Amino acid sequence: RKEVEQDPGPFNVPEGATVAFNCTYSNSASQSFFWYRQDCRKEPKLLMSVYSSGNEDGRFTAQLNRASQYISLLIRDSKLSDSATYLCVVPTGTASKLTFGTGTRLQVTL
Amino acid sequence: EPEVTQTPSHQVTQMGQEVILRCVPISNHLYFYWYRQILGQKVEFLVSFYNNEISEKSEIFDDQFSVERPDGSNFTLKIRSTKLEDSAMYFCASSDPGQGAIEETQYFGPGTRLLVL
Repeated sequence: RKEVEQDPGPFNVPEGATVAFNCTYSNSASQSFFWYRQDCRKEPKLLMSVYSSGNEDGRFTAQLNRASQYISLLIRDSKLSDSATYLCVVPTGTASKLTFGTGTRLQVTL
Repeated sequence: EPEVTQTPSHQVTQMGQEVILRCVPISNHLYFYWYRQILGQKVEFLVSFYNNEISEKSEIFDDQFSVERPDGSNFTLKIRSTKLEDSAMYFCASSDPGQGAIEETQYFGPGTRLLVL
């Protein structure tokens, strides 16, 4: 299994739709997980952290399944401004080195 | 809101030349990182730095690369003799061990786009 694996997409959804992204990771020792958002040619920006089974922030919900080594991100009521690449990120190594997935591209349309 | 800053935003250099990429991490952060992203590929870890020394480095971070914290605010990445394949976006990041989280959230700068010709 790859260290961090994501479906690259793209996911094309209409405004208002609910969309879910999945991510699997290989390092069973990882304690926390992150979803970052990256706009084209910009830096990754933190969207959500996940330490326990899940986290919710407005329209965004992240869930963690440690037994299956699986993280998901759910976006409800999608907006045009949600169009971006969503990066699943797992700390690995001894000094909080972040390992990134390839990202899942989301395009929200009218 | 405090943020990580990086200079320059773009740099074009000739193969074999030395480049220095500069970063100013968030002021109370103690852990510093460099990552790179080749166009169309994923973000890759290069090096982490804490307490004035390298904590961890990747296979990419070979003898051509070095990092330094020359003063209390700047964190630099030097590439001694650039190669064509060093062309990428280089991101600096910093984190704060005092957040209380199990693993610290890293905040990224806007990046320096390096083009080696």
